[in-house]
Amino acid sequence: DQQVKQNSPSLSVQEGRISILNCDYTNSMFDYFLWYKKYPAEGPTFLISISSIKDKNEDGRFTVFLNKSAKHLSLHIVPSQPGDSAVYFCAASWTGRGSQGNLIFGKGTKLSVKP
Amino acid sequence: GAVVSQHPSRVICKSGTSVKIECRSLDFQATTMFWYRQFPKQSLMLMATSNEGSKATYEQGVEKDKFLINHASLTLSTLTVTSAHPEDSSFYICSAIRGGNGYGYTFGSGTRLTVV
Repeated sequence: DQQVKQNSPSLSVQEGRISILNCDYTNSMFDYFLWYKKYPAEGPTFLISISSIKDKNEDGRFTVFLNKSAKHLSLHIVPSQPGDSAVYFCAASWTGRGSQGNLIFGKGTKLSVKP
Repeated sequence: GAVVSQHPSRVICKSGTSVKIECRSLDFQATTMFWYRQFPKQSLMLMATSNEGSKATYEQGVEKDKFLINHASLTLSTLTVTSAHPEDSSFYICSAIRGGNGYGYTFGSGTRLTVV
């Protein structure tokens, strides 16, 4: 049973346009969400995060939106650049008592930004 | 920023042999480290949580006698794949928690294990 779902395995976007990556989760205990970017044969690198007490967090070209009622979050990249081409993982965690702090990952979405 | 070093980055071993993967936190102390495994086109799956000075906590379905984890110091955790088989071939990634952005999660660069 997958608790974090990224239903789009791939996304292709033109340079300069907006990239929207989606993520759904099922566990209502999750209270912290993160997006990671990963290149082949490398470990994931942190991109942006959001706490469940917020519905939006922005960092430069990257914005994450959280809709708790829908258990849905999305990552917006504006404007998209060819260097953004990578696999993007959505991850979730809960920080409550007894949590070890591990992350639950989605399967990832491969973003291709074309010049 | 926080750096987690993972070694080796790539290893090929014969079936039946053991392989050790090291994960070091270079500029911070990590009481907790995590080991993940990623199969092609799959998500990163948590294998075990490594706690300094105590036994690791394994996820359901992960054989603790096959995947030995040792977290002997605050900066080093090791994962040993014992009696490796071709189905153990995968990408193994460690991570450690430190305070700060991103929930303090920092990942190693991963180890590509191929068992022949």
